[in-house]
Amino acid sequence: QLQLQESGPGLVKPSETLSLTCSVSGGSISSSGFHWGWVRQPPGKGLEWIGSISYSGNTYYSPSLKSRVTLSVDASKNQFSLKLISLTAADTAVYYCTREDRSASDYWGQGTLVTVSS
Amino acid sequence: QSALTQPASVSGSPGQSITISCTGTSSDVGAYNYVSWYQQHPGKAPKLMISDVTNRPSGVPDRFSGSKSGNTASLTISGLQAEDEADYYCGSQTTFPSVVFGGGTRLTVL
Repeated sequence: QLQLQESGPGLVKPSETLSLTCSVSGGSISSSGFHWGWVRQPPGKGLEWIGSISYSGNTYYSPSLKSRVTLSVDASKNQFSLKLISLTAADTAVYYCTREDRSASDYWGQGTLVTVSS
Repeated sequence: QSALTQPASVSGSPGQSITISCTGTSSDVGAYNYVSWYQQHPGKAPKLMISDVTNRPSGVPDRFSGSKSGNTASLTISGLQAEDEADYYCGSQTTFPSVVFGGGTRLTVL
């Protein structure tokens, strides 16, 4: 059974950079046909797609976050990562990593709460 | 890109059927047969219930079904059960391969 697990800091200061990693187990991140994505959810609000990356490293970003987001993949560690720069309080959210199959996220991590505060 | 439009809330009694709509544009819902639906219980990660407009992943009860007409997709839950009470989100591919979600619908089982 495929499992995804996010890791990273729970608290980040405004203007700083957020780095999150998603570790994949029970399957290979190099499996063709899938993308690996990130979705976030501010407290009490809806889902927001951040972006996704293919196993070969092709990246796709939300237009609203494109200028601040970088996704990367490390196939040797079966991990992929998110970097989000210039954080503000509006970036406070639960961040989920996902596997995407034809735009549907069929596997999700448990989510990690990131709070942006000084 | 704007979020897809969903009703804020719907409700139904046990055993009844309900439908949640998801309205987009000719650039997302209307353009691709890649509409998905997610169920989210409080404090939990979303769970995929429908993919590719009508496909039900293994383990999802057949009480859940999806459809699409033009720029509007729909999720129907028949034979409502108490455990169906949750938030539901639609998602669609847009300008390949970006994804956009709906604002979410809270389902209350009376």
